[in-house]
Amino acid sequence: DAGVIQSPRHEVTEMGQEVTLRCKPISGHDYLFWYRQTMMRGLELLIYFNNNVPIDDSGMPEDRFSAKMPNASFSTLKIQPSEPRDSAVYFCASRLGGGKNIQYFGAGTRLSVL
Amino acid sequence: GESVGLHLPTLSVQEGDNSIINCAYSNSASDYFIWYKQESGKGPQFIIDIRSNMDKRQGQRVTVLLNKTVKHLSLQIAATQPGDSAVYFCAEANSGNTPLVFGKGTRLSVIA
Repeated sequence: DAGVIQSPRHEVTEMGQEVTLRCKPISGHDYLFWYRQTMMRGLELLIYFNNNVPIDDSGMPEDRFSAKMPNASFSTLKIQPSEPRDSAVYFCASRLGGGKNIQYFGAGTRLSVL
Repeated sequence: GESVGLHLPTLSVQEGDNSIINCAYSNSASDYFIWYKQESGKGPQFIIDIRSNMDKRQGQRVTVLLNKTVKHLSLQIAATQPGDSAVYFCAEANSGNTPLVFGKGTRLSVIA
C-alpha cells in the first residue's frame, strides 16, 4: 500500500487566497484525521471523520477552515480566505476502526501564506 | 514582537549509546499508548505501542515502559544510530476509537 497520500507537498499563496489541501487515506481505513503542526502549538487535531462523517470538528480554528470527505478515498481541507497565521504543516492521518488505535500519517503539506 | 516557539526538550546521545526518552501523560483513564518518530520533513511514523495491562513491551532495538502509578511512559532505544535522530512523540487514548492525544515531543540528536 502507498500509505496516506497528501497533495500538494508545498503550497505558497498570498493572504486572502483560497487554499485546498488533499488527502487520500489508506485503502480500507475508516477513520481520517486532519492535524496542523506549528512550532508554537505543536501537533493539533483539527477534525476527524468516521465512515466519511465528521465526528469532531472542535479543533477547527475558525469558520475560514472547512473539511469534507465526499467518499472513503478522498478528503479536503480548505482555508478561505487564508491568512499568514495559517502557515504551518498540515498532516492527514488514517486508521482502521476496531483494530489497534494506530494512526498512519501522510508526509504533510507545508503551507506558507504570504 | 518576539515570537516564542515551542521549546522541545532535547536529548543528545553519542552514537552507540542507549537513549531514554520520557513522557508524562495526563489522563489516568488512558489505556493505550503509542510512540511516534518524526524525521525532518516527514510525517510522524509509528514505532511501538503498549496497552495499560502491560508495563513493558519490546520491539526491535526499542523498549517501551509504562508506569501507571505516576503516569509515565518511556522509550528506550538501544545502540542509538544517526538514523534515530528525530523528534519523538508519545500519544495516549482512553478507548479504542477516541483520537490519540499527542505530547509535545522530544528531539533526539545523535552525535557521531
